[in-house]
Amino acid sequence: SQQGEEDPQALSIQEGENATMNCSYKTSINNLQWYRQNSGRGLVHLILIRSNEREKHSGRLRVTLDTSKKSSSLLITASRAADTASYFCATGGGKETSGSRLTFGEGTQLTVNP
Amino acid sequence: DGGITQSPKYLFRKEGQNVTLSCEQNLNHDAMYWYRQDPGQGLRLIYYSQIVNDFQKGDIAEGYSVSREKKESFPLTVTSAQKNPTAFYLCASSSDRASPYYNEQFFGPGTRLTVL
Repeated sequence: SQQGEEDPQALSIQEGENATMNCSYKTSINNLQWYRQNSGRGLVHLILIRSNEREKHSGRLRVTLDTSKKSSSLLITASRAADTASYFCATGGGKETSGSRLTFGEGTQLTVNP
Repeated sequence: DGGITQSPKYLFRKEGQNVTLSCEQNLNHDAMYWYRQDPGQGLRLIYYSQIVNDFQKGDIAEGYSVSREKKESFPLTVTSAQKNPTAFYLCASSSDRASPYYNEQFFGPGTRLTVL
């Protein structure tokens, strides 16, 4: 079953604008991760935030986590055409999750127009 | 180069045939995973293995089988019992629990399977 639900399903912006994607989940978690997938390729890990963290930064990426609302957001600042990809959230390590497995959301398709 | 390799990149199968997808990693990771991705969808877990000679079913294991005889290898067989096998298959691996990022997963490039 898919634990994460992402919003929006698709997002189209102009280069230089910021892009925000949201992820909601249902059960308790140990950590939440964001991945990126270029069309027809494997996923690439972007950032991991632990359940006891509220915000994390990595370059142009900013992730927030609100465990009380069971939600996370990924902000990409000053977007570039090369950021065009699908972005997935994945949750891991909760009580209902065995070992190191992750549960992925449906993804947000981001298009950055030059 | 360290990483995960999957082969073949494209695979065509006739109905009723079993096919095996290869996944190899040289990252010395303990855990390995197989996912299925349908067009415009997220990833669904088929099987995973946290240690050699042991594996567990994921959310959609029916019609699939795996083995984990070596740490580096985790092949997936798509059997004729899988009703709708046409999909993109992704293999991943992750380090063991000793690492603070023990379940950051590293993905292979994928195999696109088409049933004719």
